[in-house]
Amino acid sequence: NAGVTQTPKFRVLKTGQSMTLLCAQDMNHEYMYWYRQDPGMGLRLIHYSVGEGTTAKGEVPDGYNVSRLKKQNFLLGLESAAPSQTSVYFCASSYPLARETYTGELFFGEGSRLTVL
Amino acid sequence: GDSVTQMEGPVTLSEEAFLTINCTYTATGYPSLFWYVQYPGEGLQLLLKATKADDKGSNKGFEATYRKETTSFHLEKGSVQVSDSAVYFCALTTNTNAGKSTFGDGTTLTVKP
Repeated sequence: NAGVTQTPKFRVLKTGQSMTLLCAQDMNHEYMYWYRQDPGMGLRLIHYSVGEGTTAKGEVPDGYNVSRLKKQNFLLGLESAAPSQTSVYFCASSYPLARETYTGELFFGEGSRLTVL
Repeated sequence: GDSVTQMEGPVTLSEEAFLTINCTYTATGYPSLFWYVQYPGEGLQLLLKATKADDKGSNKGFEATYRKETTSFHLEKGSVQVSDSAVYFCALTTNTNAGKSTFGDGTTLTVKP
């Protein structure tokens, strides 16, 4: 099983450029999330989705947009990249807690390292 | 809101030493608690979990007990190995926040031979 796959894994951008990170999961999970990881700051939630066609803001949404047109895919877009967006981005997915045997654990991709010059 | 506080790192131990990484939390609702591990260059993966008070999660020699009275979920291992060198994250999820998880800042563990 592939699990959660992120593309690309590495990218270098210039300030003002745009790009899209793609997250794909093959586990039929309802919930998907985008986090960023910065040194000494743990993981911070950017945006999340509780189902196809729905998205919501997380803790640090400014400068990012997302779309969930298909259940298995969750796209993170940067319209005008800034150096402050240099980070490692992680996508994760999970089931809702209401499922009888599920507890809210997250399944992560391997990460996408973005550098904005 | 929900929060997770982990002991600050980095932590450096010799092989076969005893490990404790402290984790305390505050949460609205009734959380499930997790420890995730991140090996160099990789994503996070679940190490262990506990879903109700007094549950003990265990995996790969690591253990943590859900203590509701002290709102804690400390990670322990009796004898660490070099291969345990990684970043460890404590996290919680409640059923009142759309499955979103709140993470601690992470603790970097280095085990020396």
